[in-house]
Amino acid sequence: TQLLEQSPQFLSIQEGENLTVYCNSSSVFSSLQWYRQEPGEGPVLLVTVVTGGEVKKLKRLTFQFGDARKDSSLHITAAQPGDTGLYLCAGAPESNYQLIWGAGTKLIIKP
Amino acid sequence: GAGVSQSPSNKVTEKGKDVELRCDPISGHTALYWYRQSLGQGLEFLIYFQGNSAPDKSGLPSDRFSAERTGGSVSTLTIQRTQQEDSAVYLCASGNTGRPEETQYFGPGTRLLVL
Repeated sequence: TQLLEQSPQFLSIQEGENLTVYCNSSSVFSSLQWYRQEPGEGPVLLVTVVTGGEVKKLKRLTFQFGDARKDSSLHITAAQPGDTGLYLCAGAPESNYQLIWGAGTKLIIKP
Repeated sequence: GAGVSQSPSNKVTEKGKDVELRCDPISGHTALYWYRQSLGQGLEFLIYFQGNSAPDKSGLPSDRFSAERTGGSVSTLTIQRTQQEDSAVYLCASGNTGRPEETQYFGPGTRLLVL
């Protein structure tokens, strides 16, 4: 069974601080996606990374795909209250068409 | 339509009753997914449709759960003889082709509470 482990499960920090969320697996993925979900809504795609070692930036968010395509990280610089939400990673296995979802990181940014 | 819509947005039912949840995907999207999400948790895959066919039903928790899709568009998830453990948010997503690396567009979900 392929698994994606996210850490931490929960993070509450002050506005302006930096943070990193991790998504790890023993399996190789052909691509990995990060979604953000706000209360009462469905997840919304933030980014897709497809190449080992790839780094993508979305304003204050930096996403990295591990060289071996088994892990990924999301780094937020100078977090804002608007970053509050549930962050989910989802990997596309090489040998299956079905996305594997992490359990999510609940992030709260306090003003 | 402009986005994925789901109805009802909230459903409260009594244990043992049947419920139907509806999903209207983005027009033209061939792939449709159903997920279940417990409070603040990750997504549990239920079923995947490609057109009207369901090549992967592996996530359905029991035979009380079934789903269909008609006309390559609207999908209905039916839960028979609901149990309290069925309480969750049921999310529907659609995708243009069903390739795993493409974006999945989610609806707002149906919040189901079984009393």
